[in-house]
Parts: sequence; structure tokens; C-alpha cells
Amino acid sequence: QLVLTQSPSASASLGASVKLTCTLSSGHSSYAIAWHQQQPEKGPRYLMKLNSDGSHSKGDGIPDRFSGSSSGAERYLTISSLQSEDEADYYCQTWGTGVVFGGGTKLTVL
Amino acid sequence: QVQLVQSGSELKKPGASVKVSCKASGYTFTSYAMNWVRQAPGQGLEWMGWINTNTGNPTYAQGFTGRFVFSLDTSVSTAYLQISSLKAEDTAVYYCATFDPVVPDYWGQGTLVTVSS
Repeated sequence: QLVLTQSPSASASLGASVKLTCTLSSGHSSYAIAWHQQQPEKGPRYLMKLNSDGSHSKGDGIPDRFSGSSSGAERYLTISSLQSEDEADYYCQTWGTGVVFGGGTKLTVL
Repeated sequence: QVQLVQSGSELKKPGASVKVSCKASGYTFTSYAMNWVRQAPGQGLEWMGWINTNTGNPTYAQGFTGRFVFSLDTSVSTAYLQISSLKAEDTAVYYCATFDPVVPDYWGQGTLVTVSS
């Protein structure tokens, strides 16, 4: 069964970097994913698509501070030079027989 | 630019029906399937299913069969979500979105449906 696993929470200091992880279930390590950001009281926003080789394509207007990488079954979202507006929920998503979402990671900027 | 604009918030009584619209612009409507996503209060994103914008054929995720209906009006580039026999647990924000594996994804702004007596 295709499942995406995310840590429920993460925190990092203003100006620092943070790396969020999304883990694909066994047998699905070649799958591409997408990352979406949801700021408080707002709808989700597409950030990027991320392939198993680490190549990624970002949405329009997504700052260079956001980047993606991959290792095995893990897909990462790295946010550098953290700003207060980066405090949000981050969801990974992929495609199987349907669309699958991870449970989301709540990022707190200290 | 691509936009998905959804209809406004709805307040409905239990047992009633609601129809949420999602109007697409900035691209050829039939190029991408339209997905629906539910977000209950304080919860994560839950995929409800999708509709093929070429054929009109819907696919419903587990848990979203029976009372949920996806439809289209391609003449006005609009997708619809209808929920019948509303229950309190249907209270949520509903989003339309395109989730194509190759091109960027786009989200509607969300429609809050509140079910309360």
C-alpha cells in the first residue's frame, strides 16, 4: 500500500535552515512526489514536484530558499534563511491508483 | 495565469444538499483532471477523488461514495462537487485542484461548508 509518512512537527530558528522529510512506503521508492505549503488560515499552495533522482521543478514565484532532494525512499524539502512567513503546514503528495497525501508537518519558526 | 475560483461559503442544515463550484481559467479546461480535497477542522488534507474533464468520468476515493457527486460543465470550464444528505461531519473546507504528475499543480481557494442545525 502506498503511504507517505511525515513527522507531525518541526521547528527551527529565524534565519536558519530546516529539512523536512517525507518517506515513501516500501516498494515505492521510485515515486515522484509534490510538496505543498499551507500557511495558517489559508489554502494550500503548490511548491514543487520532486523526482527520485532529486531533480525538482518549482511553482511560479516560489523563492530560491525552497529546494528539494531525494535519497532512496525519502524526499526532502529544505527551506533556508527561514522567515516568519514560512511557518506553515507542509504536505507531501504522490500518485498511485489515486492521489495520496502525507499527514503533514507543522513547521514552527522560533 | 491559471486560476481556480471556487464558490463562497455555505451554511446548511443536516439532511440538506450543497453544490460547490470551481471555475477554471488560464488553461484549456480539458487538459487536466479536476480533483477534490477535503480538510476537516484542524485536520490534514484528504483526497476525495477526481473527474476526467474529457469524458466526465468520476472516480471516488474510499469513503466518498454514495452522497458525493462530481460533475462538469465544460462550456463554462467549471467543475462541481455536490454533497447530499449532509451530516455534521461534512463540515470542512473543500478544495478543487489539479494534480498532474508533470506540470505544476493549482489549487482553488477553498469553500467552507458548515453543517449545523
